[in-house]
Amino acid sequence: SAVISQKPSRDICQRGTSLTIQCQVDSQVTMMFWYRQQPGQSLTLIATANQGSEATYESGFVIDKFPISRPNLTFSTLTVSNMSPEDSSIYLCSARGWGTSGAIVRNEQFFGPGTRLTVL
Amino acid sequence: LAKTTQPISMDSYEGQEVNITCSHNNIATNDYITWYQQFPSQGPRFIIQGYKTKVTNEVASLFIPADRKSSTLSLPRVSLSDTAVYYCLVGGGRGNYGQNFVFGPGTRLSVLP
Repeated sequence: SAVISQKPSRDICQRGTSLTIQCQVDSQVTMMFWYRQQPGQSLTLIATANQGSEATYESGFVIDKFPISRPNLTFSTLTVSNMSPEDSSIYLCSARGWGTSGAIVRNEQFFGPGTRLTVL
Repeated sequence: LAKTTQPISMDSYEGQEVNITCSHNNIATNDYITWYQQFPSQGPRFIIQGYKTKVTNEVASLFIPADRKSSTLSLPRVSLSDTAVYYCLVGGGRGNYGQNFVFGPGTRLSVLP
């Protein structure tokens, strides 16, 4: 499976500030995604991070609030902008679609450990 | 988007087989079904994925009926360490890489000694 790391693992931020979360995959992957998981809840897809183009956002999420970058096939960032206490949550990145010798042979989606964000 | 439902919680005893069912009535033709295990303060861990019929790996089996409107994760002989939340995920598109991922609400499994 792909190994996915995230930075920071947790942070406490002030209202009105922004935080950028980094996601690094140990191999080239076709797709990367960002999810939010509020305490005790299931995961909700925020957006698909597209390499070389703008991210694709799910209903209820907008680029101004959650700008996403994906400069290459192994790295992505999610910024949570102008934060409020309602943004307190766990943010997870995931990756899907990788293989060996240039061929995409694996279709499962694997997740990073998450970033726990608290906004005061 | 597929809407998924799961039992909120289940209890079992060590050594028993546990079956967790997820309903996804409006699953799309190209959607996969994937199951994850999540422990507190960790990201979801992939368990198994399938499209139809039965899939088995070293840790679980996944049963998907012909209409694909539900799926059942089967965990053989659970142990205390299997206490976790189990999520079904529908979406992904067979043969393509579209999104439309929808997680179920999760089933909290408690394994008792």
